[in-house]
Amino acid sequence: GAGVSQSPRYKVAKRGQDVALRCDPISGHVSLFWYQQALGQGPEFLTYFQNEAQLDKSGLPSDRFFAERPEGSVSTLKIQRTQQEDSAVYLCASSPLGRPTQYFGPGTRLTVL
Amino acid sequence: GNSVTQMEGPVTLSEEAFLTINCTYTATGYPSLFWYVQYPGEGLQLLLKATKADDKGSNKGFEATYRKETTSFHLEKGSVQVSDSAVYFCALSDHQGGKLIFGQGTELSVKP
Repeated sequence: GAGVSQSPRYKVAKRGQDVALRCDPISGHVSLFWYQQALGQGPEFLTYFQNEAQLDKSGLPSDRFFAERPEGSVSTLKIQRTQQEDSAVYLCASSPLGRPTQYFGPGTRLTVL
Repeated sequence: GNSVTQMEGPVTLSEEAFLTINCTYTATGYPSLFWYVQYPGEGLQLLLKATKADDKGSNKGFEATYRKETTSFHLEKGSVQVSDSAVYFCALSDHQGGKLIFGQGTELSVKP
């Protein structure tokens, strides 16, 4: 079946612009995670959804970052007033509820100029 | 808090050499442990996992054993191939279905 998809794959933004990154999880996966991966580093947790409920947003670096999953499937990560330090690859992962294995999408590479 | 430390790269090996990538962790309780691999230009893929102490995960000739006494989950392969060139990430999850905590990654380059 189809895996996790993310769009766009690449995004270039000017400092101060708002961006929206989309994640389509595997059909039927209840859990959805967002991670941020800086160049040469491991992914770092941003936020977690169980269906439409955002149960953990402890990793969001500032109030400029906002995520939603209104119908419990597709999720959007929004970054307002982008800064250069927001440049990274944003990864989305999904899993069945309570299962340990997460399935990752290809990521969105965000470059803020 | 929970954390994962892995050996720094890059690691450069000749084809058919033995591979070890060290990974140690700090966690309360009984985390699940994972190795993910990122091939050039591709997304993260699960390589193997172990969910309890003394479990051995294996896949594609790679193995790792969950050692609670040494808080380690070292990745090994007896004979690497050029196609194994990638970045390898060790990770833990402190409860079933929870967020992953990753190490910084180890780049492996295998030369023919």
